[in-house]
Amino acid sequence: AQSVTQLDSQVPVFEEAPVELRCNYSSSVSVYLFWYVQYPNQGLQLLLKYLSGSTLVKGINGFEAEFNKSQTSFHLRKPSVHISDTAEYFCAVSERNNDMRFGAGTRLTVKP
Amino acid sequence: NAGVTQTPKFRILKIGQSMTLQCTQDMNHNYMYWYRQDPGMGLKLIYYSVGAGITDKGEVPNGYNVSRSTTEDFPLRLELAAPSQTSVYFCASSKQGILETQYFGPGTRLLVL
Repeated sequence: AQSVTQLDSQVPVFEEAPVELRCNYSSSVSVYLFWYVQYPNQGLQLLLKYLSGSTLVKGINGFEAEFNKSQTSFHLRKPSVHISDTAEYFCAVSERNNDMRFGAGTRLTVKP
Repeated sequence: NAGVTQTPKFRILKIGQSMTLQCTQDMNHNYMYWYRQDPGMGLKLIYYSVGAGITDKGEVPNGYNVSRSTTEDFPLRLELAAPSQTSVYFCASSKQGILETQYFGPGTRLLVL
């Protein structure tokens, strides 16, 4: 079965700095990849997803992620973060419909 | 649209008690899901439904039951609460499967003592 490892549990960064949140997955078949964001006391919200096609995926709020099949990675990036980006970010993988596995999450803290 | 709503927001249960977590969506989505989120962990799928009258187990179904009598509602039942079920429960819905955007409710925080 598929699994996800988020390599950093916490990432502190200063406002307007670039950020990368790392995600590696394990699967023996083709996968679909997702990044979700969770703001405090809220449910998850989809940032972006990779289903097929271009390996560079652009999402909401200026985030993007690159699917790297050879390195089994799907890292999330933003060139310049804002205070409002402070949240928990989850990487998720799916091999088939109705079966999604989430990573443990990365807490991004943006400092002024 | 209200989206996905969940009730209650917070509940304390004693071991062995039962309760139903309510979930309603007003987007006419076919698919609905229940997840649990333990501290410091990602979400795990408990049960899902592909339409009224059809439900199936996810990754961690033990100790839970679901039903789907209407498109809008997808309640989650805990029959004999155990401390291991202390968690935050999220309901979600999507139009056609997990590969489409899932819309999440605000969650129900459950404490079993």
